[in-house]
Formats: sequence, structure tokens, C-alpha cells
Amino acid sequence: GAGVSQSPSNKVTEKGKDVELRCDPISGHTALYWYRQSLGQGLEFLIYFQGNSAPDKSGLPSDRFSAERTGGSVSTLTIQRTQQEDSAVYLCASSGLGSTNEKLFFGSGTQLSVL
Amino acid sequence: QKEVEQDPGPLSVPEGAIVSLNCTYSNSAFQYFMWYRQYSRKGPELLMYTYSSGNKEDGRFTAQVDKSSKYISLFIRDSQPSDSATYLCAMSATPTGGGNKLTFGTGTQLKVEL
Repeated sequence: GAGVSQSPSNKVTEKGKDVELRCDPISGHTALYWYRQSLGQGLEFLIYFQGNSAPDKSGLPSDRFSAERTGGSVSTLTIQRTQQEDSAVYLCASSGLGSTNEKLFFGSGTQLSVL
Repeated sequence: QKEVEQDPGPLSVPEGAIVSLNCTYSNSAFQYFMWYRQYSRKGPELLMYTYSSGNKEDGRFTAQVDKSSKYISLFIRDSQPSDSATYLCAMSATPTGGGNKLTFGTGTQLKVEL
């Protein structure tokens, strides 16, 4: 596709349920990031994938959060046993290799609401 | 205290005004500075990218970095209603390549009135 695609655009779930958020990066981009944007907070880094290397999971807030990237393309962020504090916009971004100041391209995000 | 501080606004200006948006930061290791624009219900898009101290101009936009004061600014000249968005500053200690994690400000909401 022309840009980073995320689905669903909105997700409402009940506390304690598991959710899966999907990101389809720009074709050919090897780097993929997940960020979280909460009301009144800046974007918070969650996890980074680069090619076949082990992901950088240092931003994941708890072991309820996990992510995978299949075939070096599509990524899924899974939140288990959701809590109300997980409510936020989850943004995915991708970038290609090349110049040192490479540009991150963001998707429109998934608005997650945990009731 | 947050590493990056940014006034959330909202900031409302008349069309044609010069807008000044600012961020302060505490981490002296930051060398790379960015401004992103985020329209409602959209992801951020990169507006300006600067390295170290100095100015950079691109059309109606000018980015300034003062590392001695740990202060960065974005100026928008001849502001237009289409500039109405949230502006996020972001910074890092290394180039945004190779998986670098950016530290973002909370964003300033700007509204340009007709």
C-alpha cells in the first residue's frame, strides 16, 4: 500500500479481555516501531523490529504486552488481560534503511478503549 | 520531571500570524531534533529535522535549536487554517536510523482562525 496501514482503527473491549492490533508497514521498509499515545502524554516507545534481528522490547510496559512480526512485514501487537490504563492510541511506524536521518512514516493508529 | 517539556496549549492565533512553538529538555545527550505535525485522528508526520544547534528553514517553517539552553523552537510564518494541528517535538541522542527511540514532547495544539 501507499502508507502504513493499521487495523482496526477503533477497538472497544472489556477489562480482562485480550486484544490484537495489526500493522502493515510500507512495502520494503525493514524497520517497524510501535508507540503508544495517551491523553496528555507524549508518544511512548513500545517495541522496535529491524529485519531478522531480535526485537528491542525495552519499552513494553508489562508482560501483558507482546508483539511479533511475521515474514519481516506485518506486525501484531497483543495486549493480554487488558486494563483501563491500557486505553490509548497505538501507533505503528516504519522506515527503510539508508540515510542516517531516515524518516519514520506513521499509520493513523488504533484507538483502544478498555471499559 | 519529564525529559522533554512542551506546553500543551491550546494556542489560538489569527490567520497570517507568526506562530512560535517551543520545547525544553533536560538530557544533554540529545543531538537530533525533530518537529512532527499531527492532524486529528492521523499519525504524526515529520516536518523538520535538525542536528545540533542552529537554524533550519523550509518554506514557512523555521526550526531553531539552542543546545546551551536546551531549548528548541518551531516558527510558522503567515499561518494558515490548514496549519491547525498538534505539533510534537521529538529528539534523540543518535540519528533516527537503526532503531533509535525518539523522546517526544506531549504536543501543542494549534488553531489558526479565519
